[in-house]
Amino acid sequence: EDQVTQSPEALRLQEGESSSLNCSYTVSGLRGLFWYRQDPGKGPEFLFTLYSAGEEKEKERLKATLTKKESFLHITAPKPEDSATYLCAVLGGTAGGTSYGKLTFGQGTILTVHP
Amino acid sequence: DARVTQTPRHKVTEMGQEVTMRCQPILGHNTVFWYRQTMMQGLELLAYFRNRAPLDDSGMPKDRFSAEMPDATLATLKIQPSEPRDSAVYFCASGTPRASGSNYGYTFGSGTRLTVV
Repeated sequence: EDQVTQSPEALRLQEGESSSLNCSYTVSGLRGLFWYRQDPGKGPEFLFTLYSAGEEKEKERLKATLTKKESFLHITAPKPEDSATYLCAVLGGTAGGTSYGKLTFGQGTILTVHP
Repeated sequence: DARVTQTPRHKVTEMGQEVTMRCQPILGHNTVFWYRQTMMQGLELLAYFRNRAPLDDSGMPKDRFSAEMPDATLATLKIQPSEPRDSAVYFCASGTPRASGSNYGYTFGSGTRLTVV
């Protein structure tokens, strides 16, 4: 069974204080690792997809990296508007199998950035 | 931008009543998911469909929950009878997984916030 564990559960930063969120995973046949951002009262919003170890993706102050067992979301010089819950998910399964395309989420990290 | 539309946005109902939540996936997406989100459990997968066929509903309490896709533009999640422990936000998501090449993240709706009193 696919499993995703995120840490820490909550992270408080001062504006400009860089840090990283962790996502550890076990999956049969990784088809993609996804990062989402979720604001209160809204659905998760897609940020990145990573496919293979060593891959990196960047968007504004966010950079996602991937190894064979975990992914990191690095936040550089965060601003208060980066405050949200960040969710990691894995897409696994064998093409053509019934589990293919199943997206399994971690519990999320609640990020708060203080001005 | 294409969106996943969920109705209603909010629902308050009494214990024992039937609740139906609806989702309109993005046109052309072949996979539709139902998730439930609570503070304690996070996002739990309830059921998902590919090309309207149910693939996995092992996350649902089958005695009270049912999920269907009567056509490609509508997915429904029904709870009968509802219980206070069903109070949560229910999300629908749609996408098309690919065996090779890029896999873009599934698109989520805004959710239905269900309160059972």
